[in-house]
Amino acid sequence: DMKVTQMPRYLIKRMGENVLLECGQDMSHETMYWYRQDPGLGLQLIYISYDVDSNSEGDIPKGYRVSRKKREHFSLILDSAKTNQTSVYFCASSLLQNQDTQYFGPGTRLLVL
Amino acid sequence: GDSVTQKEGLVTLTEGLPVMLNCTYQTIYSNAFLFWYVHYLNESPRLLLKSSTDNKRTEHQGFHATLHKSSSSFHLQKSSAQLSDSALYYCALRNSAGNKLTFGIGTRVLVRP
Repeated sequence: DMKVTQMPRYLIKRMGENVLLECGQDMSHETMYWYRQDPGLGLQLIYISYDVDSNSEGDIPKGYRVSRKKREHFSLILDSAKTNQTSVYFCASSLLQNQDTQYFGPGTRLLVL
Repeated sequence: GDSVTQKEGLVTLTEGLPVMLNCTYQTIYSNAFLFWYVHYLNESPRLLLKSSTDNKRTEHQGFHATLHKSSSSFHLQKSSAQLSDSALYYCALRNSAGNKLTFGIGTRVLVRP
């Protein structure tokens, strides 16, 4: 069963705290993505990873970093979270040869107080 | 850079009536790949349909869209809306030189009985 999972699903943090969002996929997809979804802004790409330790900035990487040590896992890290990072974060994955079809996870709703 | 415009933020319509969601795009590249992703409440966003062929209608799950490069448009249509079509619809673009999707801000569709 092809699946992208995200943990946690809901998270409340205080400003200045560190945040770790985790994503996993069981499809052996090479490419993985982190997006954030905000009303009026749509889905914005934060980072893209082409495989283990092969990561590139997306359109809004400031304030975020990522880690990919295994093909099936892709982490998003917020060092010292800010209130404007309150959002819904989606992870996605795709085959390197078919990056047009992205499989999304269920999302993580993050509230930074 | 690339951009995707979805002018309608919210579309409210009555069940059984036709649906048309507008999508226009801008890219400097001659080849463009256009997509519609759908995000149902409490589910993950998923690919609805895609096209890169000019003036060719593509269909899936009762929806259809035709890429018109002359007008840089890829409008999504359905002849008869169902209650279950209520969702957030994203238009997205990939140019021939890149591997990232650029999403529009999304159009929320609410179908009423």
